[in-house]
Amino acid sequence: NAGVMQNPRHLVRRRGQEARLRCSPMKGHSHVYWYRQLPEEGLKFMVYLQKENIIDESGMPKERFSAEFPKEGPSILRIQQVVRGDSAAYFCASSPAPSSYEQYFGPGTRLTVT
Amino acid sequence: GENVEQHPSTLSVQEGDSAVIKCTYSDSASNYFPWYKQELGKRPQLIIDIRSNVGEKKDQRIAVTLNKTAKHFSLHITETQPEDSAVYFCAALDTGRRALTFGSGTRLQVQP
Repeated sequence: NAGVMQNPRHLVRRRGQEARLRCSPMKGHSHVYWYRQLPEEGLKFMVYLQKENIIDESGMPKERFSAEFPKEGPSILRIQQVVRGDSAAYFCASSPAPSSYEQYFGPGTRLTVT
Repeated sequence: GENVEQHPSTLSVQEGDSAVIKCTYSDSASNYFPWYKQELGKRPQLIIDIRSNVGEKKDQRIAVTLNKTAKHFSLHITETQPEDSAVYFCAALDTGRRALTFGSGTRLQVQP
C-alpha cells in the first residue's frame, strides 16, 4: 500500500480559496476512492472513480466538491470556496479491479482552512 | 445503505493480554469485511479481511470471525504488544456502491 501517493501531504487554505488534492493509485490499479476523515472520527466515503468515469459520487457534497480521474495523470479532488468545516484528512484508496475488494490507502492530505 | 457499529470506542489492555473488538453491520448483502489499523497521523493499513463465505481467518496473532446470521464480525488480537497500540477500524463493503462503510473506530492502548 506504500504505492498509493497523495500530494500535498499538508495544505493550508484561507476561507474562500480552492483546494486541489491529488492521488496517484498503485501501479496497475484503475479504481480510486476518496474518503474524508474528521478529527477523532472514522472515514466517510465521498466518491469512487475509474479512469475517465465517476462511478459513484453519492458521498460527496453536491456543491463546491468535484472529482476527476483523467486518462493520464492523477485523480484530483477539488474543493472550491473552502470553509472551516472542510478541514479534515482526505484519503484516497485504490484497488486493481471491481472484483478485487481490497482497498489500499495513501498517506492522506491534511487540509486546514483558516 | 450500510451502517456499521463498532465497540468499544476505547480499550486498554496489559501487554500479553488479548483484545477483542466487535462490529455489527446492517446490510445483509455486504460480503467483504476488512480491518484497518491507523496510527496517529498515518494512513489506515489493511491488517486482515474476511469474505462472507468464510467464518474465521487467522494471521499470526490476529484473527477475524464473522457471523453472517447475526451480522457481526470481530477482531481478536492475542499476545498484545505495545506496538499494537493504535486506532482500529472495521468496515463493510457496500456491494451496491462499491464503497467501504467504516465503523467509528476503537482506540487500543497496550500498557507495557
